[in-house]
Parts: sequence; C-alpha cells; structure tokens
Amino acid sequence: EVQVVESGGGLVQPGGSLRLSCAASGFTFTDYAMTWVRQAPGKGLEWVSAIRTDGSTKYAESVEGRFTISRDLSRNTLYLQMNSLTAEDTAVYYCAKTYGIWYFGLWGRGTLVTVSS
Amino acid sequence: EIVLTQSPATLSLSPGERATLSCRASQNVGSSLAWYQQKPGQAPRLLIYDATNRATGIPARFSGSGSETDFTLTISSLEPEDFAVYYCQHRANWPLTFGGGTKVEIK
Repeated sequence: EVQVVESGGGLVQPGGSLRLSCAASGFTFTDYAMTWVRQAPGKGLEWVSAIRTDGSTKYAESVEGRFTISRDLSRNTLYLQMNSLTAEDTAVYYCAKTYGIWYFGLWGRGTLVTVSS
Repeated sequence: EIVLTQSPATLSLSPGERATLSCRASQNVGSSLAWYQQKPGQAPRLLIYDATNRATGIPARFSGSGSETDFTLTISSLEPEDFAVYYCQHRANWPLTFGGGTKVEIK
C-alpha cells in the first residue's frame, strides 16, 4: 500500500524541540520530493518546508532558521527537526508526497504538536 | 509572497446544486494552481492540478478553470460527500501558499 505515516508529535514547552518523522512505503522514496504542511486548530493549511530529490531544501519564512527538513533514504523516512518552538507552532503537521511538481497527492493522517507550558 | 484569496468563505447549497468556488492570486501564477478537498478530521485530498487537470480518481463532476490570477473550481452537481472545505494552492514560486479555504455546507 502506498502511504506515508507521521509520528513524533506531542506536548512540548515553549522554547523546546521536537523531531517529527514520516515513514514512507509503497513507492520509490528517492524519486519524489516531499513536504511538510501544517494546520493550526480550526485554521487553514500552511506550507512549512520541502525537500527536493537532490536533497536541497526550502522553508517558509515563519520557520526558517528554526526547523530543519531532512530524509534518510535507507529508512525511507522524512524528518522535521523543530527547535525554539512557540505557541504559534501548535498544529497538526502533515507529511505529503509530491504529485507532479510541488502539488501534493499523498498525505498522511498528521501528527499533532502542541506547544504549551 | 503570493497571496491566494478564496471566496466566498462559506457556500450554503443543497445536494444536486452547482457549486462555484473562486481563488484569486495576488500575482500571475500562470496555470500553476491546485485545488484540494478536506473533510473534518481528514487530510486534504488533491482534486485539480495545473488549474484544469483532474487528479487520479477524481470524479468528473469536479472541474477547474482559469489562469494567471483568477481561478474557479466547479462542482457540477453536489453529492452528499462533497460537503467539505476546499483550498487552492499555487506552485509558481517560493514560498508555496494556500488560500484560506471555502467551506461548502449543506443548506
């Protein structure tokens, strides 16, 4: 089955760190760019970060310098390292596989990150 | 940053009616626009890409039109499962952005 499954969310204090994982299966992970998109409670979608097949990366301005996207090709896993977290980072974080160029055709169920003291 | 403005915020319609959703871009994005559907508690689903192309498995009642700055998603005859929130997204440049969404609710 073609799927991506996120994990690693949870409750973290302001200023803390968290690493999200996204396990991919059913497709050739190396052939696809991947992305993270988040959704704050009751709000719309916000693109967070992307990694191309060549490993180059892009970030939204709101997370630049605090978040790092990476991947482990041997484990077919995408990561998002999140540092210096604030309440504004509270959201469900979705991992998504690209469909064509920078559209998102396969999404996980998401993992909830809550930043609160 | 390209801002995508969706209207209306909420659309109240009955099953069988036609739904017309708008997405306006603050800059020319060519045809580099997609539409997604999201139901409560679920991840988004890609419906339309490159403004007019249906993604794999998407029913023909969904269609997209437009180019440059003005785009439309049309649902020709609403089915009960179509009541959801719809988002547009551009890929014309970085950062990628989404519109604020249009909720299609049952009247």
